[in-house]
This record gives sequence, structure tokens and C-alpha cells, in this order.
Amino acid sequence: QKEVEQNSGPLSVPEGAIASLNCTYSDRGSQSFFWYRQYSGKSPELIMSIYSNGDKEDGRFTAQLNKASQYVSLLIRDSQPSDSATYLCAVIGGKLIFGQGTELSVKP
Amino acid sequence: DAGITQSPRHKVTETGTPVTLRCHQTENHRYMYWYRQDPGHGLRLIHYSYGVKDTDKGEVSDGYSVSRSKTEDFLLTLESATSSQTSVYFCAISDTGYGYTFGSGTRLTVV
Repeated sequence: QKEVEQNSGPLSVPEGAIASLNCTYSDRGSQSFFWYRQYSGKSPELIMSIYSNGDKEDGRFTAQLNKASQYVSLLIRDSQPSDSATYLCAVIGGKLIFGQGTELSVKP
Repeated sequence: DAGITQSPRHKVTETGTPVTLRCHQTENHRYMYWYRQDPGHGLRLIHYSYGVKDTDKGEVSDGYSVSRSKTEDFLLTLESATSSQTSVYFCAISDTGYGYTFGSGTRLTVV
């Protein structure tokens, strides 16, 4: 079993819709969780971090964490074409371990 | 990517030759990392450093070595390049070991 798993996509949503990206992890001791966005040909950039169960909101982005289910999600409200990118889930298990990423495409 | 620079940005090399990639930071961060990114595999940790002369292996360290003689520089060496090491290499830095900042990447092709 991979340590951090994501659906590779692509996930396609219309402009203005909510995009929902999901991630599961295997290490129950993990304490810190991150979402990175990576545009094609560019480096990953940190967009959200979450450390405790529940929701964390930052603008159009909401990160959700459920440690009992070992599940992290990222919601993007009012999706824009500029949100089209690959979203990487990452979990601290000693070191930062990344999922494979989910490709998101927002159609105008 | 302010504060972190990777060089070279692109390199083509022949199988069997040694190659060194450089990561330079101006943030005085303690932690530095080397990742490789390949289709279908995501980002995989090669080596990391938690201080000058303090380094450790990641999940895909075979065929790679690193050195950190100064806080600001972290070098990744492919001892004898193979075609399987064709990849995009990213350096990352962190002051806490949590949120990472990535460099622009080095695209390496081994022919």
C-alpha cells in the first residue's frame, strides 16, 4: 500500500463549480498535512496546511482532515480556469511524503 | 522561486558520466531536500539534510550521493548516470521541517 494515495484524475469541473480533491494516508501517526499546487512545467507551491481534525478555510480553498479515517481533502470553491493544475497531497511521516497528484481541469 | 536556486536548469549527459546538481539557498534554512519527479511516481525523496554535514537517505537514494559543506549549498551527485535517472530534480528547503519551498527544478536527460 502506498503511503499517500490520490486519484490521478484528470478531474474536470466547469468554471464556478466546486472541485473536490481527495487523499488517504497509511501512517496513523502522521500529524501534519499539506496541499501543493503544481502548474505544468513549474515547481510545487504550498497552498494549504492542516494539523487538526476539521476544516481550515483560506479564501476559496478549504482543507478538511479526518484522522480517524486517515483522509484529507481539498475543496476549491468557485473554480477558475487558472486553478487548472496538478494538486499534490503531502503528509509528514518523519519526512514529507507526497501522493502522485490529481490533475484538475477547470473548463470555461 | 525567491531564496532558492537550482543549477543547471537543463542538462543532457551520457550514460556512465558523473553529474552534479546544485541547490543554493539564501534563506538560512536548516533543512534541504532533493526530490525527483517522474510520471506515475510523483515526487520521491532522494536525500535530505538537517544541517551542515548532516545528511540522510530517502526512499530512492541508490546511485545518488549528496554533500552539504555550507548551510546554503546542497549538492546532488549521480555517481555514474543511467537512463533510469532521466527525471526532473527538485530541491526544497524548510526552516521547520514542515512547509517546504521548492526550487525551479533541473531537467536531466541521460542518453
